[in-house]
Amino acid sequence: KQEVTQIPAALSVPEGENLVLNCSFTDSAIYNLQWFRQDPGKGLTSLLLIQSSQREQTSGRLNASLDKSSGRSTLYIAASQPGDSATYLCAVSTTKGGSYIPTFGRGTSLIVHP
Amino acid sequence: GEEVAQTPKHLVRGEGQKAKLYCAPIKGHSYVFWYQQVLKNEFKFLISFQNENVFDETGMPKERFSAKCLPNSPCSLEIQATKLEDSAVYFCASSQFFRSAYNEQFFGPGTRLTVL
Repeated sequence: KQEVTQIPAALSVPEGENLVLNCSFTDSAIYNLQWFRQDPGKGLTSLLLIQSSQREQTSGRLNASLDKSSGRSTLYIAASQPGDSATYLCAVSTTKGGSYIPTFGRGTSLIVHP
Repeated sequence: GEEVAQTPKHLVRGEGQKAKLYCAPIKGHSYVFWYQQVLKNEFKFLISFQNENVFDETGMPKERFSAKCLPNSPCSLEIQATKLEDSAVYFCASSQFFRSAYNEQFFGPGTRLTVL
C-alpha cells in the first residue's frame, strides 16, 4: 500500500525566502506525482504534474523534482510571497494492482508573513 | 465548463436524513472522482467514473453511499440515512485522461456536509 509523507507539516517564513517542501512515498512504481495547493475553505488547485519518466517540472516560481528511486519529490518555491500562504499537498498515483487513484499526503501548511 | 462545479456549497442534515451532492466535470473530461475530506488534509477516495460507468468503487461505504454519472446530467453522490461521521467536505475531481501518466486531476470547490 502506498504511503505518502510530507515534511514539514507546517512552515512559517518571512516574505522573500526560498522554500523547499518535501514529499516521500514508499512505492516507487508510480504513474505520476501531482502537487496541489489548498486555500482555507477551498478546493485543490493543481500546481504541477510530474510523470514517472520526468525528473522535474517548472511553473513560474515553482519547481518540482522527482526521484523515483529514492521515493522523493520536492517542491521549490522561489522568492515566497504572502499570497503563497496555503496548504500544499502532494498526491502519488501508482501502477500496482491496476489502481490509478492518487494517494495524498497530509500536506504542508505554509504561512508567508510580510 | 472550464471548471469543476459542485453544488450545494454547504449542506446541513439531521442524522438519518438523506443528502445529495452534485458535480459537473470540466467539459470534455470523461473521468470523475469523488473524495471525502474528514480531517484537515486527509483525503479519502470514494469512487471514480468513466463517463457513466463506475470504474473503481473500492472506497465507497456501500450500505449508505451511492453515486451516479448519467449522460447530460451532473454527477451525484447520495448518502442515505446520514450519520454524524459523514460530516466532511466532499470533493469532486475530473480528468481528461486516466490510465495514463497524463491524468492530471482538477478539483471542484467542494461541498461541506454537516450532520447534526
